[in-house]
Amino acid sequence: ETGVTQTPRHLVMGMTNKKSLKCEQHLGHNAMYWYKQSAKKPLELMFVYSLEERVENNSVPSRFSPECPNSSHLFLHLHTLQPEDSALYLCASSQGSRVADTQYFGPGTRLTVL
Amino acid sequence: QKEVEQNSGPLSVPEGAIASLNCTYSDRGSQSFFWYRQYSGKSPELIMSIYSNGDKEDGRFTAQLNKASQYVSLLIRDSQPSDSATYLCAGVPHQAGTALIFGKGTTLSVSS
Repeated sequence: ETGVTQTPRHLVMGMTNKKSLKCEQHLGHNAMYWYKQSAKKPLELMFVYSLEERVENNSVPSRFSPECPNSSHLFLHLHTLQPEDSALYLCASSQGSRVADTQYFGPGTRLTVL
Repeated sequence: QKEVEQNSGPLSVPEGAIASLNCTYSDRGSQSFFWYRQYSGKSPELIMSIYSNGDKEDGRFTAQLNKASQYVSLLIRDSQPSDSATYLCAGVPHQAGTALIFGKGTTLSVSS
């Protein structure tokens, strides 16, 4: 799947590090999403951006900071994470932010916090 | 807490059989439901969406929605080993914008 790309694919970081995850969509979509997928837990929506404006924030700790500079790019800035933040972070995009708009997922970044 | 519940499985079926995956949801106002397939180590991909009561068919896949009973199901006919994956059910709670609420997923194993 090359419509939505994510870098890096794997990331190991210490609790005091600062890192960023990048997502880019080549589909001409207007909405982008960050999800967290932990073992044994459902996929959790973290943030939604529509036309570069944050429209949903699901009570995510402030150590996760999203940035959407344009409709094709989405970042997740990470700062002083905890080991329990280790998970697969998935980016998705959709044409719009309506319910019927199919969300297409990127390959994910596997994050390990030591 | 709005929830989507799935049996985590694994659900094992022989090749050629019908696999039946079920999902229940807590928010009676939910209108839209989606089934995603996720292969091990890969990202989810949409298989079916369903918005109205009844059945919706697409090739070997049939999604069923019963709003009165608050359940959604996915039937896979003529199951193939390539169907072995985790199937995620997701719904959009009423007045929740585009926030998909996912279940934990059901792992399907199709043996040849």
